[in-house]
Amino acid sequence: QVQLQESGPGLVKPSQTLSLSCSVSGGSITSAGYYCSWIRQHPGKGLEWIGYMHYSGSIYYNPSLKSRATISGDTSKNHFSLRMTSVTAADTAIYFCARHEMSTDPFDPWGQGTLVTVSS
Amino acid sequence: QSVLTQPPSLSGAPGQRVTIPCTGSSSNIGAGYVVHWYQQLPGTAPKILISGDTNRPSGVPDRFSGSRSGTSASLAITGLQAEDEADYYCQSYDTSLSPVFGGGTKLTVL
Repeated sequence: QVQLQESGPGLVKPSQTLSLSCSVSGGSITSAGYYCSWIRQHPGKGLEWIGYMHYSGSIYYNPSLKSRATISGDTSKNHFSLRMTSVTAADTAIYFCARHEMSTDPFDPWGQGTLVTVSS
Repeated sequence: QSVLTQPPSLSGAPGQRVTIPCTGSSSNIGAGYVVHWYQQLPGTAPKILISGDTNRPSGVPDRFSGSRSGTSASLAITGLQAEDEADYYCQSYDTSLSPVFGGGTKLTVL
């Protein structure tokens, strides 16, 4: 059973870079058909897809965040990461990682999420 | 502003049937892209409830069902129970295959 767990700093200063990691257990991020997505949820608000990485190495971003987001994978540690540059208070959110088997398959499972607050 | 439109809140009494609509456009649901539904209980991550418009993953009660028509989709819950009180989100894709979400509907069981 695949499980995902996000980790990273809970507080980031404005204009700095947010860095999060998603550790995957029970399956390899290089398994065929494996997509890993990052999704965020602003406090009390809805969900926003940030981007995904496919096991083949291809990466696709939400066009609205593409200029600031970078997703990468570390096969040796079986985890994938999100970096987001030049953060502002508007980036304060719960960040989730999630897996899906095809690009149009549902996000399942999800990590528990990690709250990132952007504040000085 | 979410790409897909859902009512912010709905309520129903135990045992009743409620329907949560999800309205899209010709660029997403109307283009034929599948719709998924998620349930998010307070303080937890969303969980898949309905996939591919109408499919219930293993373990999801058959009280939950999904449908679609034109540029919209709906989640129906019959025999409403107290444990169904949660936020519900629809999700589809746009023409660039970017996942898009509804703004979520908070369901209150009276």
